[in-house]
Amino acid sequence: QVQLQESGPGLVKPSQTLSLTCRVSGDSLRRGGYYWSWLRQHPGKGLEWIGYISYSGVTYYNSTLKSRMTLSLDTSNNQFSLRLNSVTAADTAVYYCARAGQYFDPWGQGTLVTVSS
Amino acid sequence: DIQMTQSPSSLSASVGDRVTITCRASQDIYTSLAWYQQIPGRAPKVLLYAASRLESGIPFRFSGSGSGTDFTLTINSLQPEDFASYYCQQYDLVPYTFGQGTKLDIK
Repeated sequence: QVQLQESGPGLVKPSQTLSLTCRVSGDSLRRGGYYWSWLRQHPGKGLEWIGYISYSGVTYYNSTLKSRMTLSLDTSNNQFSLRLNSVTAADTAVYYCARAGQYFDPWGQGTLVTVSS
Repeated sequence: DIQMTQSPSSLSASVGDRVTITCRASQDIYTSLAWYQQIPGRAPKVLLYAASRLESGIPFRFSGSGSGTDFTLTINSLQPEDFASYYCQQYDLVPYTFGQGTKLDIK
């Protein structure tokens, strides 16, 4: 059974960098055919896809965040990471990691990140 | 980007009812559409993919149809655990995009 688990600080100060990691169990990031994705959900709002990284390190970033974000892969530890620079209150959201063949399945449980001083 | 428009945004129904949620894409996405259910405080869960294919373990009361730009999710004989939010998502082209969601609550 494939499981994903997000981890990282729940509170980030404005202008600083948000860093989250998604640990994968039950599957290998080295196996092709999947795109390892990040999504977010602002409080009480809908779902927004942030971007993905493939097993070979190919990335695609949503244009709304492209200039501030970096995705990376750590195959040794079977995890992938999101870094989002220069955060503002508008980045306060629940962040999810997910595996995508085409649709997203499975998802991590999500982690709330609040941007506040 | 492909825009996904869901309707209604909210819906009240009773246990045992049949409900339908629609999703319209701003361009042809063939059958590259998934439906998700989200219970408050939980991650979304895929119900259907390829517009009409039921994900393993999902009850048969959930069904989907459509192709091109117009899609529907139907839930027959609503159960108490079905009261949640539902989202459509296209995966024909990146960036992947979602509908704004439909909140289904108990009448």
